Amino acid sequence: EAQVTQNPRYLITVTGKKLTVTCSQNMNHEYMSWYRQDPGLGLRQIYYSMNVEVTDKGDVPEGYKVSRKEKRNFPLILESPSPNQTSLYFCASRGGSGSDIQYFGAGTRLSVL
Amino acid sequence: AQKVTQAQTEISVVEKEDVTLDCVYETRDTTYYLFWYKQPPSGELVFLIRRNSFDEQNEISGRYSWNFQKSTSSFNFTITASQVVDSAVYFCAPQTGANNLFFGTGTRLTVIP
Repeated sequence: EAQVTQNPRYLITVTGKKLTVTCSQNMNHEYMSWYRQDPGLGLRQIYYSMNVEVTDKGDVPEGYKVSRKEKRNFPLILESPSPNQTSLYFCASRGGSGSDIQYFGAGTRLSVL
Repeated sequence: AQKVTQAQTEISVVEKEDVTLDCVYETRDTTYYLFWYKQPPSGELVFLIRRNSFDEQNEISGRYSWNFQKSTSSFNFTITASQVVDSAVYFCAPQTGANNLFFGTGTRLTVIP
């Protein structure tokens, strides 16, 4: 079954405590992305990767890091989380063509206290 | 740069009414794809339709239909005979090969029984 799996689904943490949200896909997709969703703002892209070792900033990259060491994994790292990073996060993957459908993970709800 | 305007923030209709969700987009790319996604109360993102910028034929799928007009950069979505299960947030988003999905702010549809 085609899947994008992100973990954890829910996370409560405190300001400044480093955390990683994992994302894995089983479709051999080239393209992977992270989005955050905030009320009234829709989904905004944080970072994306067009292939292994190729990553680039999206629209709201500040405070986040990513890596793409393997094709299937694309973790999102918050080195020093702050309350304004409280949000719903989605990982997604697709093939390399602009026509390819993007598949989303189930979401990670993060609260930074 | 891409931009998506979903001017209707929230819509409420009574069950069995028809409803149209508007989407106006901007993109500098000549070749692009347009997508609609649904986000039900459970939170996952569900792909609904993909449209090629060269194909302006309207599309119907059951109770759903889409009207794409390149001249006005609009890609509107109509639900016929709405049902309570249609209650969700709906997102319109263009995508190109190089650029990932760019989401609008979404329209929250509530179908009242």
